[in-house]
Amino acid sequence: QVYLVESGGGVVQPERSLRLSCAASGFTFSNDAMHWVRQAPGKGLEWVAVIWYDGSDKYYADSVKGRFTISRDNSRNILFLQMNSLRVEDTALYYCARDPSGSGWAFASWGQGTLVTVSS
Amino acid sequence: QSVLTQPPSASGTPGQRVTISCSGSSSNIGNRNVNWYQQVPGTAPKLLIYKNNQRPSGVPDRFSGSKSGTSASLAISGLHSDDEADYYCAAWDESLNGVVFGGGTKVTVL
Repeated sequence: QVYLVESGGGVVQPERSLRLSCAASGFTFSNDAMHWVRQAPGKGLEWVAVIWYDGSDKYYADSVKGRFTISRDNSRNILFLQMNSLRVEDTALYYCARDPSGSGWAFASWGQGTLVTVSS
Repeated sequence: QSVLTQPPSASGTPGQRVTISCSGSSSNIGNRNVNWYQQVPGTAPKLLIYKNNQRPSGVPDRFSGSKSGTSASLAISGLHSDDEADYYCAAWDESLNGVVFGGGTKVTVL
């Protein structure tokens, strides 16, 4: 059984930082690309970032480029999202998602999300 | 404004067939696989269709996907009350170097 458990969310002031974590189990973490996807309250899904299975490549949505950094620790099966210079519009439920090799960029498994609220 | 375009809503009575469209461009749907997700309110999204028309294990064959050119469709046949959810299409975009989603379609079972 695949488990993805996000943590690290909370209430933070604009321009501050927050680091999200996603603990993975039930599959070979080091084989799969991993993504962060967010959903603002009452809105649709927005892709945030992807990291290759071995951390060798990363891509970001334009809305977070230069402010967010995705990383992973394959020895501990954990995915991270370092969020700096947070803005009110970054308020959302942040999901981590597993992208198995050969799935065609499909998010086969999702966590339950961690809520980030950016407010003064 | 989403890169992929979906109708905001769709509806049908139990047993009917509902189709949801997803329109994109040559930089995404035209040259890449399309994936579909179902999100019941208050829960995490779930993969419904991958690689245009493949169903993950456990997804009923009432759900089917297709793609033609720069558009894709999700069909739900034999509509059930528990199919009430939001449905999203997604694809990798070669110009943006990222995954793009449709705005989502809310399916209501009348």
